Amino acid sequence: QQPVQSPQAVILREGEDAVINCSSSKALYSVHWYRQKHGEAPVFLMILLKGGEQKGHEKISASFNEKKQQSSLYLTASQLSYSGTYFCGTGGSGGYNKLIFGAGTRLAVHP
Amino acid sequence: DGGITQSPKYLFRKEGQNVTLSCEQNLNHDAMYWYRQDPGQGLRLIYYSQIVNDFQKGDIAEGYSVSREKKESFPLTVTSAQKNPTAFYLCASSGGQDQETQYFGPGTRLLVL
Repeated sequence: QQPVQSPQAVILREGEDAVINCSSSKALYSVHWYRQKHGEAPVFLMILLKGGEQKGHEKISASFNEKKQQSSLYLTASQLSYSGTYFCGTGGSGGYNKLIFGAGTRLAVHP
Repeated sequence: DGGITQSPKYLFRKEGQNVTLSCEQNLNHDAMYWYRQDPGQGLRLIYYSQIVNDFQKGDIAEGYSVSREKKESFPLTVTSAQKNPTAFYLCASSGGQDQETQYFGPGTRLLVL
């Protein structure tokens, strides 16, 4: 089952914050976050493994709530370069695992 | 520089024609994957391979075929049986110490004439 991402689209002004959610109907082992610019390959942002840990990458961080089967991506003090489509991919048990990707959240940051 | 390369960047297919998309990686990764992306949608898994000479169907394998004769190469053939092949095709690989993370190539855009 494809994870559900919300919202579908976000428009921000530079410096504003945003939260993107990724929910699954199945138990999660891992959640992978990617950002894709139009016509380009997805770029890996971070991975969260079962255990509820939170990770950070520059001003982008994420959390993983096993009980809710949900992950959230936090974008703080957004920059123009943050524009793109954000995808979450959910994985099963560890190792070389198949990922199921959500439909994506389009983020546009304006000056 | 280590990475994943895909060629060609654009590919045109005529009706009834088979075409092959190339994917090469020099990351020494064991696992490789092929995804299809349609406009405004997420990525769907076509095939994946965890080791040389072995591969498994993903969620949308019909009309596609793959081979994994070498660790660094995982070509995808779009056959004439695939009736709606127009899409952006992405190859990825994973392995090494960071087994969980998949890294993507630049993609091939396939268009039907």
